[in-house]
Amino acid sequence: KQEVTQIPAALSVPEGENLVLNCSFTDSAIYNLQWFRQDPGKGLTSLLLIQSSQREQTSGRLNASLDKSSGRSTLYIAASQPGDSATYLCAVRPQGGSEKLVFGKGTKLTVNP
Amino acid sequence: EPEVTQTPSHQVTQMGQEVILRCVPISNHLYFYWYRQILGQKVEFLVSFYNNEISEKSEIFDDQFSVERPDGSNFTLKIRSTKLEDSAMYFCASSEGLAGGPRKTQYFGPGTRLLVL
Repeated sequence: KQEVTQIPAALSVPEGENLVLNCSFTDSAIYNLQWFRQDPGKGLTSLLLIQSSQREQTSGRLNASLDKSSGRSTLYIAASQPGDSATYLCAVRPQGGSEKLVFGKGTKLTVNP
Repeated sequence: EPEVTQTPSHQVTQMGQEVILRCVPISNHLYFYWYRQILGQKVEFLVSFYNNEISEKSEIFDDQFSVERPDGSNFTLKIRSTKLEDSAMYFCASSEGLAGGPRKTQYFGPGTRLLVL
């Protein structure tokens, strides 16, 4: 059974710092991996999707990498801003025809002005 | 930019009552999903729907749950007899593209917060 773990559970950094959020998954047989942002009491905003054949994806100040064989992904946020404060969720789509996403519990990021 | 919408944003109901949660997926999308998130827990998959039928469901999605696409735009989740443990945020999502295709990003709605008393 696929399990997704995100460490740390919470992270607090000063504004302007570059930071890395970690995601690990137990079964490397995935179709893709998606990073989301969730603001308190709100829905999920898709940030980046990496196909299993890709190594990384970039969008603005965000860069996500994928090492499928070791079951790891990282989300790099450059020059963090207070507006980046949110919970960041990692989710994998298992191979084998499944459409579901399996989520981690998230990392709650606070960027202090 | 197109987005998934959900109504209502909040719903309070008594245990044993039926509730219907509504979603309008992005218009050219073919796959539709329901997930839920109990407070403080992970987001959990409930069901996926394609071509007017359930394509996959989790063990959570028992006989108390049903989904329907009553017209060309709405997608609903019905809980027949709510239990206290059904209290959660329910998210609808949709994605475009054919199975195995590259355009499989799932786009989520803002959620319906369901409270069962």
